[in-house]
Amino acid sequence: GENVEQHPSTLSVQEGDSAVIKCTYSDSASNYFPWYKQELGKRPQLIIDIRSNVGEKKDQRIAVTLNKTAKHFSLHITETQPEDSAVYFCAATGFQKLVFGTGTRLLVSP
Amino acid sequence: DGGITQSPKYLFRKEGQNVTLSCEQNLNHDAMYWYRQDPGQGLRLIYYSQIVNDFQKGDIAEGYSVSREKKESFPLTVTSAQKNPTAFYLCASDQGGADTQYFGPGTRLTVL
Repeated sequence: GENVEQHPSTLSVQEGDSAVIKCTYSDSASNYFPWYKQELGKRPQLIIDIRSNVGEKKDQRIAVTLNKTAKHFSLHITETQPEDSAVYFCAATGFQKLVFGTGTRLLVSP
Repeated sequence: DGGITQSPKYLFRKEGQNVTLSCEQNLNHDAMYWYRQDPGQGLRLIYYSQIVNDFQKGDIAEGYSVSREKKESFPLTVTSAQKNPTAFYLCASDQGGADTQYFGPGTRLTVL
């Protein structure tokens, strides 16, 4: 079945810096890759997603890139702000379900 | 995700007691999922259902049971066989086929 690995597990940046989180997946049939942000004590919320027929997608300060050949995808956050501090999860489609990465705790210091 | 509700928000269980967590959605989604999240950890799949009256075990189904009698409802029962149930439980739904999942606000279960 699908396996998703996510790195790094923690990431500390200064406000205004960029942050990059990387995920790899194992199933070449996977065709949908969402990213979720989870603030402390709250539910995960979708922030951006990408499908396998697209290589890159942007939404203001966040972007996702997909390399199908290498089977990895990345989340890029530019001009980070303290409110970006949260746990970020990547996911990939498995059989009838999403398979989630283990999460990255992002800390943005003022 | 505002179309998914979970109740209660907080739940306390005594040893040997079964408790049921509620999950309701009005998004007309076919598929529903239950996840468990321990402090500082990721999401672990307990059970999922792609259609009414059918459901499958996830990665950590032991000690849990579910039913899917209605499209909009997917309750989770934490049985006494689950020895360490203290965790944050999240329900999610999507249109089926592993599409965009939307999460409910969660239930925090504590064993007394």
